[in-house]
Amino acid sequence: VQLVESGGALVQPGGSLRLSCAASGFTFSDHYMDWVRQAPGKGLEWVGRIRNKANGYTTQYAASVRGRFTILRDDSENSLYVHMNSLKTEDTAVYYCTRGPSQYSIDDVFDVWGQGTMVTVSS
Amino acid sequence: DIQLTQSPSFLSASVGDRVTITCRASQGISNYLAWYQQKPGKAPKLLIHGASTLQSGVPSRFSGSGSGTAFTLTINGLQPEDFATYYCQQVNSYPYTFGQGTKLEIK
Repeated sequence: VQLVESGGALVQPGGSLRLSCAASGFTFSDHYMDWVRQAPGKGLEWVGRIRNKANGYTTQYAASVRGRFTILRDDSENSLYVHMNSLKTEDTAVYYCTRGPSQYSIDDVFDVWGQGTMVTVSS
Repeated sequence: DIQLTQSPSFLSASVGDRVTITCRASQGISNYLAWYQQKPGKAPKLLIHGASTLQSGVPSRFSGSGSGTAFTLTINGLQPEDFATYYCQQVNSYPYTFGQGTKLEIK
């Protein structure tokens, strides 16, 4: 069971970036998937979620990113994405993709995490 | 949004000690609380979910309790590998939120 993020980079304020997360070792399509970020030296911040096909691929976002970030998934490719637009300096962070619950889960938990990818927003 | 406040923010302890970290929610969240451990440069690791259910593979020296607004994470018999930062997280309602973290250091 593994999640591998990619796409982190240095980007200027106002710019855009797409992060990817490749999943393996489990039935990706069964699970909700989430993004969590961590600014340098700071705590964890939930970014958003995309539900599975059975729940209409609906999404939820933190207020800090709503309207600027879009979470997508491609179950045929076992991949999760986040499109980030109008980036701000305060979006600088390590971005983690995490596995959320499936229909078989007892609790809503983030039980598998990727290693993270660094996004730096700076001029 | 539901605010989670952890105490203490920093904790110094010795190998073999019993330590307790508290997480208080700004409103009732039933048992929709998880605990994570994070070591420097690494991703968080799930320890406890549903306030008291030990995640598979996590040593039994870790335990969680509480319901409503007050929760605790207890580590019985600290091991060298337990020195890390611990976060609580509520999954009762969106936006999901984390506590500010408790850094557990070696005395």
